[in-house]
Amino acid sequence: NAGVTQTPKFQVLKTGQSMTLQCAQDMNHEYMSWYRQDPGMGLRLIHYSVGAGITDQGEVPNGYNVSRSTTEDFPLRLLSAAPSQTSVYFCASSYFPGRVGTGELFFGEGSRLTVL
Amino acid sequence: AQSVAQPEDQVNVAEGNPLTVKCTYSVSGNPYLFWYVQYPNRGLQFLLKYITGDNLVKGSYGFEAEFNKSQTSFHLKKPSALVSDSALYFCAVRDRVDSSYKLIFGSGTRLLVRP
Repeated sequence: NAGVTQTPKFQVLKTGQSMTLQCAQDMNHEYMSWYRQDPGMGLRLIHYSVGAGITDQGEVPNGYNVSRSTTEDFPLRLLSAAPSQTSVYFCASSYFPGRVGTGELFFGEGSRLTVL
Repeated sequence: AQSVAQPEDQVNVAEGNPLTVKCTYSVSGNPYLFWYVQYPNRGLQFLLKYITGDNLVKGSYGFEAEFNKSQTSFHLKKPSALVSDSALYFCAVRDRVDSSYKLIFGSGTRLLVRP
């Protein structure tokens, strides 16, 4: 049971380049989400999904796209990277609160992205 | 919309002393409340949660948290701090009536326990 797996762990991009951060979970969680962590700002929600084929925007969605073609995978795409997107990105998943327990999130180890 | 405030950027305590990390929240309905801990270069780990029932919730590593509805607070506590408790702590809230299931985090509080 690997939990939530994120790749890559580190990435350096130039302004304007595109890339995809991968996230996979093997716990059959319905809910998946992406956060970015910046100093002094905590974790801010970028996008989330409540099931395959369903995605929605969080607090800071601009510049990012997501898709959810399977229950297991939830990739985050940066279409044209900007220095303001330099951050640490976390993928997290959970069961629905009413299904099992109360939906506490399980986090990946993070992906550190630098945009030059 | 829900929000979380952690008023202290850093909390310093001596090993063996009690510690408190403060959290207040705002939601339109009733809250689910959580505490997470983050060690350097790691993801967040779940510590404890409040769902319903007893206002004092016990969690991992000897931590506990007290839910106070009138003060909309959910402070994290530990009777006797350890140096190994030094880490970044996040409070989070989920609104029970929010069908999006979004979990909103505070800005984090760094706990430093001195030997």
